[in-house]
Amino acid sequence: GEDVEQSLFLSVREGDSSVINCTYTDSSSTYLYWYKQEPGAGLQLLTYIFSNMDMKQDQRLTVLLNKKDKHLSLRIADTQTGDSAIYFCAESILLSGNTGKLIFGQGTTLQVKP
Amino acid sequence: NAGVTQTPKFQVLKTGQSMTLQCAQDMNHNSMYWYRQDPGMGLRLIYYSASEGTTDKGEVPNGYNVSRLNKREFSLRLESAAPSQTSVYFCASSENFGTATRKDTQYFGPGTRLTVL
Repeated sequence: GEDVEQSLFLSVREGDSSVINCTYTDSSSTYLYWYKQEPGAGLQLLTYIFSNMDMKQDQRLTVLLNKKDKHLSLRIADTQTGDSAIYFCAESILLSGNTGKLIFGQGTTLQVKP
Repeated sequence: NAGVTQTPKFQVLKTGQSMTLQCAQDMNHNSMYWYRQDPGMGLRLIYYSASEGTTDKGEVPNGYNVSRLNKREFSLRLESAAPSQTSVYFCASSENFGTATRKDTQYFGPGTRLTVL
């Protein structure tokens, strides 16, 4: 079946790096996404990676994909208090007949201590 | 561009009441979605519309109906609200659906926080 798992909570100190991990089960995923949700707000697309890539870097964000182990991670360098939020991993699965679906993890709450 | 907008932001209903959640996007996207978010459960798809004129059930459609009014607007209706429908509801849109390309990337609205007493 399709499942996306994340650890629920991560606490870091301001200025440290944060690494948020995600595992997925479906090998037919095409794109994998990271979304950020601040308190009381909607989901903001942070970044995405195509399933045939190993790594993608975008300013302070680095996404690593290990397709063999079905493991995705998001590294935030120089974490700031403004990075405190819930981070959702999601995988896009292509189904038959030109349809697909997006499967979300439960979300990881990142707490950044000053 | 406002992106994806949702109304209302907050709503309190009594059991058995009905209401419609509105969603609109100004990105000329073909596909639109309704999700609900409950603590510890991530987001679950209620209904989606792959293109104007079509709607399909997602994971948790029971108790809901949808209307794709035009390309911009996709509404979610609760005919007889129940306490189990207390949740945060998100609308999303994407350029396309099921293409295995970046056009499947979904963009979300700010959400509607619904409480059913």
